[in-house]
This record gives sequence, C-alpha cells and structure tokens, in this order.
Amino acid sequence: DTGVSQNPRHKITKRGQNVTFRCDPISEHNRLYWYRQTLGQGPEFLTYFQNEAQLEKSRLLSDRFSAERPKGSFSTLEIQRTEQGDSAMYLCASTLEGTEAFFGQGTRLTVV
Amino acid sequence: AQSVAQPEDQVNVAEGNPLTVKCTYSVSGNPYLFWYVQYPNRGLQFLLKYITGDNLVKGSYGFEAEFNKSQTSFHLKKPSALVSDSALYFCAVRAYNNNDMRFGAGTRLTVKP
Repeated sequence: DTGVSQNPRHKITKRGQNVTFRCDPISEHNRLYWYRQTLGQGPEFLTYFQNEAQLEKSRLLSDRFSAERPKGSFSTLEIQRTEQGDSAMYLCASTLEGTEAFFGQGTRLTVV
Repeated sequence: AQSVAQPEDQVNVAEGNPLTVKCTYSVSGNPYLFWYVQYPNRGLQFLLKYITGDNLVKGSYGFEAEFNKSQTSFHLKKPSALVSDSALYFCAVRAYNNNDMRFGAGTRLTVKP
C-alpha cells in the first residue's frame, strides 16, 4: 500500500493522559499536513511541514499540541494532558508542491 | 485568509438525475480549488482540482466542476447520480502562494433509488 498511513486508527484515553499519533506519508511527498475533524464539520488545518521544517501552525494548535517530522519522512502529533474537547478525528495528508493532498484514514481520538 | 462556504448541509437527488453540490470561496490571489469525498469512517478521497486552464475540470467517478471566477464559485456536478455517490463532499481552497488549505463544512449527498 503506497498511500498515507496513520496509526493507530482508534485511541481511547483518559483525560489528562498524553497521546501520540503517527503518520507515514507517500514516500516521495515532501509536504505533510495535519488536520482535525469533528463530527459534522470539515477538516480544520492544524499544521504543515515541508520536509522536516514545520512552516505553519494554526492558532488552533495550543501549547499542548506538538508535531514533529524529524527526518522529513514520517510525522508524529502529540497531545499532552488531553481534554474531552480534544476528541476528534485527526487526519494526515501529504502532497507534492502544486498537487492535490492525499489523506490517510485518520486516527479517531476519544477522551473519556 | 482563505475560506470556503458550502451553503447546503444536505442535497437529495434521485438516482439517474443530475446533481450539483455548491461551493463558493474567498481567497487573495489565484485560487487552487479541490473537491474531496468522504465515506463513513474513512479519510478524504480526492475527486478533482482546478489549478489553471479550462474552467470545466473533470475528475473521478464521472464528477466535474466548473470554476467561475466572477462568482467565486466551484460547484461540483454529475450528469447522472448513482446511489453509491451518497457520501459527504468537501470543497477546499488554498491560495497559490499559501499552504494552508481550508475546507468547507461539507455537504451530505443522498441519492435515492
């Protein structure tokens, strides 16, 4: 499978715990995006990487959220001290410059 | 900042009839416009895009969209709907010099047999 891969697909965590999600983009894609999607809404932009550089961050990305792409390949999104409002689908997408973004299946986070 | 409006939460059509899902956008400069479809518990699948060139673009599964610069619209169309087209459709825009791709709230398309 040469598409965008996200792990885990589902995560249930207790409020206050930390969680980390992983995204493996399409191998030749240099750009990687993270989005958050809640029920009935469109995806909301969180952050964007070009290779290993994090170039843009949404104001939605509070200081409890951090994303990395250490070698310009896979990326991780960590949420510290999770809150119930963090419950959402977290989507990763990758693209080459000027082309459409390809999305992974997403990680559904439930904070209880 | 760019934004997208999908004015209809839901569109219902009968199988075999033409369908239109509406999208208007706001962006500084030339837009890159996209349509994606989402099936339950799945990620977004790319349907088609407008970057430059012909205003009518054709995409996957028989879908097409027309870019109208004066009306800042990018409506998704299909001549003959299928029951299997029932899904959530998202329009997205980004400026040519900006990597922040913004999505609309989505339109749920239901095609009835």
